[in-house]
Amino acid sequence: DTGVSQDPRHKITKRGQNVTFRCDPISEHNRLYWYRQTLGQGPEFLTYFQNEAQLEKSRLLSDRFSAERPKGSFSTLEIQRTEQGDSAMYLCASSSELTGLYSYNEQFFGPGTRLTVL
Amino acid sequence: EDKVVQSPLSLVVHEGDTVTLNCSYEVTNFRSLLWYKQEKKAPTFLFMLTSSGIEKKSGRLSSILDKKELFSILNITATQTGDSAVYLCAPGEDDKIIFGKGTRLHILP
Repeated sequence: DTGVSQDPRHKITKRGQNVTFRCDPISEHNRLYWYRQTLGQGPEFLTYFQNEAQLEKSRLLSDRFSAERPKGSFSTLEIQRTEQGDSAMYLCASSSELTGLYSYNEQFFGPGTRLTVL
Repeated sequence: EDKVVQSPLSLVVHEGDTVTLNCSYEVTNFRSLLWYKQEKKAPTFLFMLTSSGIEKKSGRLSSILDKKELFSILNITATQTGDSAVYLCAPGEDDKIIFGKGTRLHILP
């Protein structure tokens, strides 16, 4: 399977615990995005990487959230001291960078990690 | 304030009907607009629109962009039950895309 993969698919945790999610993008894609989606809403942008550089972080991303992409391949998203409001689907997407006028291309999404904070 | 407004938020029609989904947006440094279909899983890509007035088609689906009016529509003709899904509009702002809340479409057999 050469698509975007995410692990785990489901995570149930108690409030206050730390959780870490992993995303493996399509191998030739140099851009990787993290989104959060709650019921009835579209995906909300959290952060994105170009290769190993984290180029932008949303205001939604509190200090409890941190993302890394150390070798420019897979990425991890960690949430510290989870709160019930963190319960959501966390989606990862990857794309290849286009040069020229349009600097992004179609984003391919992974299956998501559904987080439930009790 | 919402940068992307989709309407209607939900729609129920009978199989065979034609539907039009609307998306208005207000983003800075706009480059293109994407449409995605989301069933009970991750969004799947439908279209990317970059130029005004040029219709993109894929089977029974078509879409067009109006960059002057900051508006896009997605048409689905001869709807089928398999078209039931949430349709997401996502204009690009700088190097990222901003999603609307989506239109939930339900097709009755």
